[in-house]
Amino acid sequence: EAGVAQSPRYKIIEKRQSVAFWCNPISGHATLYWYQQILGQGPKLLIQFQNNGVVDDSQLPKDRFSAERLKGVDSTLKIQPAKLEDSAVYLCASSPSGTGIYEQYFGPGTRLTVT
Amino acid sequence: AQRVTQPEKLLSVFKGAPVELKCNYSYSGSPELFWYVQYSRQRLQLLLRHISRESIKGFTADLNKGETSFHLKKPFAQEEDSAMYYCVTSGGYNKLIFGAGTRLAVHP
Repeated sequence: EAGVAQSPRYKIIEKRQSVAFWCNPISGHATLYWYQQILGQGPKLLIQFQNNGVVDDSQLPKDRFSAERLKGVDSTLKIQPAKLEDSAVYLCASSPSGTGIYEQYFGPGTRLTVT
Repeated sequence: AQRVTQPEKLLSVFKGAPVELKCNYSYSGSPELFWYVQYSRQRLQLLLRHISRESIKGFTADLNKGETSFHLKKPFAQEEDSAMYYCVTSGGYNKLIFGAGTRLAVHP
């Protein structure tokens, strides 16, 4: 099966600029996640979607970050305006839905550098 | 709040040596625990989960509730085991909470 797709793979922007990342999950996976991984740390969940509804966005900095999953398939994560501390790898993951804990399948990530 | 701690940033061993990657968790109930791995230039992927009680690529991990630990072990390390290993717990609703990770380097 095709894996989780993300684009772009790399992005360099200046602070105060805006940027958007795209994710296409594995076909049929109802749950989609965006993680932020800062250098030297483990991934941190930013937002979790179940179909096109938000399950958890408690760690999303909502003053500058936004995400949407229209039609319950692919998703976009946006940062506006970017800060230096937003430099990180942004990972998208997907999993089936249902009871229990399901394996999450990760994309290759987008490496963002804010200068 | 649930948390996992991986005390070692780097573990360096020689091929054939035993490996133990340490993980401690904080959770008052019955935790869901996993090990995820990222090999060089590959995606983050699930290695094993505690409820399966299985051995994957020779690795095992036993949940010790008394010590609140979930250490990952392998009796004889191989060079292809070199990777970044993350201890992970579930925060409910399939939310994953990652530790900071331990880099395992296996030298020939």
